[in-house]
Amino acid sequence: QQPVQSPQAVILREGEDAVINCSSSKALYSVHWYRQKHGEAPVFLMILLKGGEQKGHEKISASFNEKKQQSSLYLTASQLSYSGTYFCGTDYQAGTALIFGKGTTLSVSS
Amino acid sequence: ETGVTQSPTHLIKTRGQQVTLRCSSQSGHNTVSWYQQALGQGPQFIFQYYREEENGRGNFPPRFSGLQFPNYSSELNVNALELDDSALYLCASSGRRQGASNEQFFGPGTRLTVL
Repeated sequence: QQPVQSPQAVILREGEDAVINCSSSKALYSVHWYRQKHGEAPVFLMILLKGGEQKGHEKISASFNEKKQQSSLYLTASQLSYSGTYFCGTDYQAGTALIFGKGTTLSVSS
Repeated sequence: ETGVTQSPTHLIKTRGQQVTLRCSSQSGHNTVSWYQQALGQGPQFIFQYYREEENGRGNFPPRFSGLQFPNYSSELNVNALELDDSALYLCASSGRRQGASNEQFFGPGTRLTVL
């Protein structure tokens, strides 16, 4: 089951905030967040695990609501470099394949 | 520490041909996953290799096959290429710990065009 990301696209000015959501109809084991710029590989941002463990970049903030099977990525005081497509990848058992959402495109302008 | 590398970066083939893509995993990683990413879509899981054994497969036909070598590098082979196989092929390596989900680090990808 592919996770559903919302919104599909976000347009921001520098300094504004955004929240990107990722939800699943199936119980999640972990949620992984990536950012991909045009023509480049996805870059790892954060992993959130069932039970509350998180690993990722210090400047990135995210949450994982196990009851709602939903994760949110919080982008605060956005910078031009935040532009790109954000993907969440989910798995339902430890160490199994990641299933990615369709992505959320973020555009930050000055 | 060397990151994930892939070769070649670009490839053009014709329908019916066969192709081999290569991936070198990040130092210390024993798991490689392959993904296909069509334009404007998220990566789609093809298969994963852990310590030279296939450890899960997505919804791809048998003409997509792979290998992992003792140094944990990996190959993706696609036979009888079809136009729809045109995509960015990504490999991602991770250091698998028993009973855990691990961060996956992606290589730069191979852009395959099938004419």
